[in-house]
Amino acid sequence: DAGVIQSPRHEVTEMGQEVTLRCKPISGHNSLFWYRQTMMRGLELLIYFNNNVPIDDSGMPEDRFSAKMPNASFSTLKIQPSEPRDSAVYFCASSFGGPSYNEQFFGPGTRLTVL
Amino acid sequence: GEDVEQSLFLSVREGDSSVINCTYTDSSSTYLYWYKQEPGAGLQLLTYIFSNMDMKQDQRLTVLLNKKDKHLSLRIADTQTGDSAIYFCAESHSSNTGKLIFGQGTTLQVKP
Repeated sequence: DAGVIQSPRHEVTEMGQEVTLRCKPISGHNSLFWYRQTMMRGLELLIYFNNNVPIDDSGMPEDRFSAKMPNASFSTLKIQPSEPRDSAVYFCASSFGGPSYNEQFFGPGTRLTVL
Repeated sequence: GEDVEQSLFLSVREGDSSVINCTYTDSSSTYLYWYKQEPGAGLQLLTYIFSNMDMKQDQRLTVLLNKKDKHLSLRIADTQTGDSAIYFCAESHSSNTGKLIFGQGTTLQVKP
């Protein structure tokens, strides 16, 4: 398996533009997580899905952020409109969700810069 | 609620041992994890320990778990410059959906 795939790897956009980040989890995993990492705030969980259903979106900063998981092999995180403070590295991770061992596999991240 | 705490920074000399500490709050966590993040990369699982164990050793890595004090530590023997990274401690969330609660991460700096 290629691991968790994220695209794009780097995104530079201007304030006010819409940004869409994409993630393909590892096949067979049923939980998917979106994180944001900045120097100031560290690693933050934004939202996660279990069996394609959003379970907890309390980490989503505000209504400008939205996430979807239309099927088990694809998820998107959208920011509309984007702002400079959204600049960060966004990670997607997947795992076999369940009560026991829960190793999360992280993608390489998307580095977003909003000018 | 669940919370995981770590010190933010540790600096050691090459060849010394490094000890990274972590405290957690959820005593029901079945597994506890250590992740490593190298510059420009995502987090990668380094090692883990099952909650009924006190210690786990894997080559240069030793994990110690004190359940009574809810304290977890990661010892790296003979620390090398390639060990310079951010180390995250994590525990499983009680929702049983695969969610992990991560600490803030400890930046390990290894000086030659």
